[in-house]
Amino acid sequence: GQNIDQPTEMTATEGAIVQINCTYQTSGFNGLFWYQQHAGEAPTFLSYNVLDGLEEKGRFSSFLSRSKGYSYLLLKELQMKDSASYLCAVNTSGTYKYIFGTGTRLKVLA
Amino acid sequence: DTGVSQDPRHKITKRGQNVTFRCDPISEHNRLYWYRQTLGQGPEFLTYFQNEAQLEKSRLLSDRFSAERPKGSFSTLEIQRTEQGDSAMYLCASSLEGDETQYFGPGTRLLVL
Repeated sequence: GQNIDQPTEMTATEGAIVQINCTYQTSGFNGLFWYQQHAGEAPTFLSYNVLDGLEEKGRFSSFLSRSKGYSYLLLKELQMKDSASYLCAVNTSGTYKYIFGTGTRLKVLA
Repeated sequence: DTGVSQDPRHKITKRGQNVTFRCDPISEHNRLYWYRQTLGQGPEFLTYFQNEAQLEKSRLLSDRFSAERPKGSFSTLEIQRTEQGDSAMYLCASSLEGDETQYFGPGTRLLVL
């Protein structure tokens, strides 16, 4: 079967660093994505990893290990506006399908 | 470029009625996806178009669901004989071939009474 696992909820303090983990088991792999989704809004793209290693983009970084089926999203200098759900998604090879995890709801406290 | 747009944003219907949603992708994007999202879940893939061709459809999608993209631009998603279990947010996303990033529209929230 195809499965993506993420923690359901996380809480962190404004200004801190938080790491959101994602593990996946899919039939083939063609890239992993992280999206941010505020309540009642559409997902917005954050990052894309297809090769092992770290991709950095401002306060956000994403890491991928294909051999371990593992990724994380690192958010630095947390701000209140970072309170949202963070979705991990995998594009499986041989299909056009993207499989999303259930999302990690992050609460940033003052 | 105004991004992906969807219409209507909200739809309330009675069980058994048919509903149709429209998606207008970013103008140069040839790839278009439909997803369904329920509360507390991630988006669930429904179907994919490359230009006007529907190249993939989820096996989870019942025969009551149909989607079209007749001219390779806008797309419609129709649900026939709606059921209460169809209540969800229906999201459309588009991308450009060669760029894996999908850009999502604001979604159509459907409530079936």
